Amino acid sequence: GAGVSQSPSNKVTEKGKDVELRCDPISGHTALYWYRQRLGQGLEFLIYFQGNSAPDKSGLPSDRFSAERTGESVSTLTIQRTQQEDSAVYLCASSPDRRNEQYFGPGTRLTVT
Amino acid sequence: DAKTTQPPSMDCAEGRAANLPCNHSTISGNEYVYWYRQIHSQGPQYIIHGLKNNETNEMASLIITEDRKSSTLILPHATLRDTAVYYCIVRPQSGAGSYQLTFGKGTKLSVIP
Repeated sequence: GAGVSQSPSNKVTEKGKDVELRCDPISGHTALYWYRQRLGQGLEFLIYFQGNSAPDKSGLPSDRFSAERTGESVSTLTIQRTQQEDSAVYLCASSPDRRNEQYFGPGTRLTVT
Repeated sequence: DAKTTQPPSMDCAEGRAANLPCNHSTISGNEYVYWYRQIHSQGPQYIIHGLKNNETNEMASLIITEDRKSSTLILPHATLRDTAVYYCIVRPQSGAGSYQLTFGKGTKLSVIP
């Protein structure tokens, strides 16, 4: 079946602009996660959704970062007033339940110039 | 996070079995052993997980020692497409650690033609 998809695959933006990153999870997966991975680094947890609510937003690095999920499906991660340190690959994952294995999308490579 | 220890790199001849070790001497009774891999420029990919019994799926086998202090991931017939960084993680069944995946440095497996 279809896996997790993310769009765009690459995004180049100017410092100070807002960006929206989209994630389409595997159909039926109630849990959805956003991570960030800087070049050569490990995964950095950002936020976890169970259904449409986000019980854990502890990883969002600042109030410039926000995320929402609608219809227990699509999620968008929004970064306002982007900074150069926001440059990274943003990964989305989904799972049937938070206790199950997570399936990752291909990521969105964000470059802030 | 030093809950797992893996060799930084390994080579394997194409067509041979790749045996990737992982030490997790401080694992708790309610923690699973999970393996993921990340092929260059792609999102992480779930491989297999287990609690105390050996597990096998279409991708790999997982052998967990009786004391659960170490495990080995076995790719039975490595191909060039298996070249990736392999991550062994221990994951509790509840709490934030159950869904906030944290990868260490992993083992870079190079499959040689």
